[in-house]
Amino acid sequence: GNSVTQMEGPVTLSEEAFLTINCTYTATGYPSLFWYVQYPGEGLQLLLKATKADDKGSNKGFEATYRKETTSFHLEKGSVQVSDSAVYFCALSDVPNEKLTFGTGTRLTIIP
Amino acid sequence: NAGVTQTPKFQVLKTGQSMTLQCAQDMNHEYMSWYRQDPGMGLRLIHYSVGAGITDQGEVPNGYNVSRSTTEDFPLRLLSAAPSQTSVYFCASSPPGANVLTFGAGSRLTVL
Repeated sequence: GNSVTQMEGPVTLSEEAFLTINCTYTATGYPSLFWYVQYPGEGLQLLLKATKADDKGSNKGFEATYRKETTSFHLEKGSVQVSDSAVYFCALSDVPNEKLTFGTGTRLTIIP
Repeated sequence: NAGVTQTPKFQVLKTGQSMTLQCAQDMNHEYMSWYRQDPGMGLRLIHYSVGAGITDQGEVPNGYNVSRSTTEDFPLRLLSAAPSQTSVYFCASSPPGANVLTFGAGSRLTVL
C-alpha cells in the first residue's frame, strides 16, 4: 500500500534560517504529491503540489521537487519567518483517486 | 463562501453514548471525506464518498458510520463511543479528480 515518511520533529529554527523537511514515499503507480500546512487551531491548507516527476511545486517561498528516482518530495524554504510556525504534512494521492495518504506531520517553530 | 463547515467544534461524551459530527460544504464538491488526527499518527482516513449515495471505508472505519444523501452534507456517526475515539476529526472535500482537499476547522472529541 501507499505510505509517506516524514522527518520527525519538532524542528526549531531561528528566523531567516534555511528550512528542509524531508519526505519520502512508497506508492504503486505515479502518485501526485502534496504539502499541507496546519496553523494552530485550524484545519489543513494546501501549501503546494506536484503531479509528475521533476515537477516543482512552489508557494509562499516554499518549494518541493518531485524526485521519482529517490521517491522524495522534500520541502524547502530559503529564509523562514515566525509566521511559518505550523505543522507541515507531506501527502500523496493516486491519480485520479482523491484519497490522500498523509505522513505523521512535522511541527516547525521559528524563534525571533 | 463558507467552504467546509464542521459542527460541533468541541464535544465531550461518555463511553457508550452516540453522537453525530456534522459536515457541510457549499462548493458543490463531489468528493468528501472524514479523517481523524492523533498525535504521532498524522491523519488517517475513516470514510469517504465520491458522490451522493456512494460511501466507502478508509483506513480506520470501525466504530463509525456515514451516509451521503446530498452533495452538500456528509455526517459522521459514532454509534457507541469509546475512549479510543478521542481525537480531532476533520472533514474535507474536493472536486472530482482535483486531488486537492479543502478542510474544515476540525471537531475535537473527548470520550470519557
